[in-house]
Amino acid sequence: EIVMTQSPATLSLSPGERATLSCRASQSISRNLAWYQQRPGQAPRLLIHGASTRATGTPARFSGSGSGTEFTLTISSLQSEDYAVYYCQQYKNWPPYSFGQGTKLEIK
Amino acid sequence: DVQLVQSGAEVKKPGATVKISCKVSGYPFIDYYIHWVQQAPGKGLEWVGLVDPGDGESLYAEKFQGRVTISADTSTDTAYMELSSLRSEDTAVYYCATGIGELQDHWFDPWGQGTLVTVSS
Repeated sequence: EIVMTQSPATLSLSPGERATLSCRASQSISRNLAWYQQRPGQAPRLLIHGASTRATGTPARFSGSGSGTEFTLTISSLQSEDYAVYYCQQYKNWPPYSFGQGTKLEIK
Repeated sequence: DVQLVQSGAEVKKPGATVKISCKVSGYPFIDYYIHWVQQAPGKGLEWVGLVDPGDGESLYAEKFQGRVTISADTSTDTAYMELSSLRSEDTAVYYCATGIGELQDHWFDPWGQGTLVTVSS
């Protein structure tokens, strides 16, 4: 089973700042990685798949990078609606389709 | 507009069985797999299993194997997740989601609104 590890667990930043979230896979997953955003009380929403392809409706300030075992989600300039929990998910080796434990992005 | 609409919250006693539904609209139901994901209170996301509505084949996470049954009804475009022998640790929100990608290399989009299952005596 592939284990996904996200860091940091919590990230405190001010609006307008740049956010960098990391996700590491326990073995190579090529670029088979997705990122999701989950706001309080809501279902997760797909942001990025294929490590760097923005989903329909994902603002351009969100970008994904990486391959193999190391991946990054960058938010170039934080807006108020970006404060949420972010999860990465691998879909290279399944079952199971595994998620990271999440990074909570909070207002500083 | 693609939508996955789930059934309402459930309260069950330990040892009971729960069956929740996920009604799909906006695309041909048989064209995409449906996945189920568990989220315990204050916790992260855990994949439960999937069903291929085209042939009814299902696949489950080892953790839930033997207690979960995921099915699809093509006459109503609805997927189901049944979880038996409920215990307190099964208290969670369960989401259905459409699996997108090549073969079974799936990311999930969109998601249903979630169904809260509470297991309590």
